[in-house]
Amino acid sequence: AQSVTQLDSQVPVFEEAPVELRCNYSSSVSVYLFWYVQYPNQGLQLLLKYLSGSTLVESINGFEAEFNKSQTSFHLRKPSVHISDTAEYFCAVSPYSSASKIIFGSGTRLSIRP
Amino acid sequence: DTAVSQTPKYLVTQMGNDKSIKCEQNLGHDTMYWYKQDSKKFLKIMFSYNNKELIINETVPNRFSPKSPDKAHLNLHINSLELGDSAVYFCASSQLRQAGELFFGEGSRLTVL
Repeated sequence: AQSVTQLDSQVPVFEEAPVELRCNYSSSVSVYLFWYVQYPNQGLQLLLKYLSGSTLVESINGFEAEFNKSQTSFHLRKPSVHISDTAEYFCAVSPYSSASKIIFGSGTRLSIRP
Repeated sequence: DTAVSQTPKYLVTQMGNDKSIKCEQNLGHDTMYWYKQDSKKFLKIMFSYNNKELIINETVPNRFSPKSPDKAHLNLHINSLELGDSAVYFCASSQLRQAGELFFGEGSRLTVL
């Protein structure tokens, strides 16, 4: 079985400051890794994903995440946040053998202060 | 055109009633899902269908019954509603071979009084 732990339920930061949202996972098999974002009153949207290859993956809006196999982590970072980044962020995993079974972490609420 | 659409967006009902939520996707995907998001934002998979066939059936009370008339539609019927069923229910779709790339609807907020 797989599980995902997001260590921070809330992360408040000032606008233009850097941010890191932490994600650790547990799995006895190889997994795909994802970050999803949920803006208020909306469904989730895929932000970025790691399937294979380079361990550093990037999104189109400046976020990046690095897969660290030894630490079983997939932390999300952004060097300078904007007010519009205010949202709930979910880390997720799915096993190679059952890619449709996507397990989500409990979410981290990112709130940006002007 | 909304890619994944759910109706209704809001549902307020009494305990013991039966209700349905409908979901449609126009992305041509072969797999659809129901997720439940509780008041703490925790998101849990309930069911998944691939080409109308049930492939994921998590530990969910049998008061919940999904139905997929075709691969573009996945409905959720809930019998004998309980207070603990209050949540936001999200429908999602994906192409099975495109691992993990789910497209979500906007959610249906169910409140059981």
